Amino acid sequence: GQNIDQPTEMTATEGAIVQINCTYQTSGFNGLFWYQQHAGEAPTFLSYNVLDGLEEKGRFSSFLSRSKGYSYLLLKELQMKDSASYLCAVLDSNYQLIWGAGTKLIIKP
Amino acid sequence: SQTIHQWPATLVQPVGSPLSLECTVEGTSNPNLYWYRQAAGRGLQLLFYSVGIGQISSEVPQNLSASRPQDRQFILSSKKLLLSDSGFYLCAWNTGEINTGELFFGEGSRLTVL
Repeated sequence: GQNIDQPTEMTATEGAIVQINCTYQTSGFNGLFWYQQHAGEAPTFLSYNVLDGLEEKGRFSSFLSRSKGYSYLLLKELQMKDSASYLCAVLDSNYQLIWGAGTKLIIKP
Repeated sequence: SQTIHQWPATLVQPVGSPLSLECTVEGTSNPNLYWYRQAAGRGLQLLFYSVGIGQISSEVPQNLSASRPQDRQFILSSKKLLLSDSGFYLCAWNTGEINTGELFFGEGSRLTVL
């Protein structure tokens, strides 16, 4: 079966750095996505990786290793507004998105 | 610019009652449209997707149905709700002949079935 694993919850301190990991086993691979979802709201697109390596976008970076079936989302200079769930999703060989359950990130002052 | 709206935002329904959630997209033509359900502690579950008017693909057999009566309108329905239908329902859109993975979501509809 297809599976996306990410930690259920993480806690970090305002101003610090946090890394959220995601491992996947899917039928084919056409890209990995990170979405941010604030409580009670819809997910919004953060990043996309299809080749190995690091993609940087401001305070957020996303890394992919296809051979290891592994990605991480790195958030720097954490702000209270970064408190949210972060969803990892993989586009499989049928171009369907397979979603992880999400990682709830709690930021403490 | 493109916008997506879905309603109602919140509803509480008794078991066995009907359901209708509506979603509309503005500012784009011939979008791909999706209905997802998000249950607590689980990943987004794709329920239906549509690549055009009257074209509906069902991903999960259940007591829900979807219709696309107009290009930018997508409706999720049920004739008789079950307790297990409770959840957060999300409509989403993107464009292109294949799914690129970048989706734009509506505000979501929280359904509680009692």
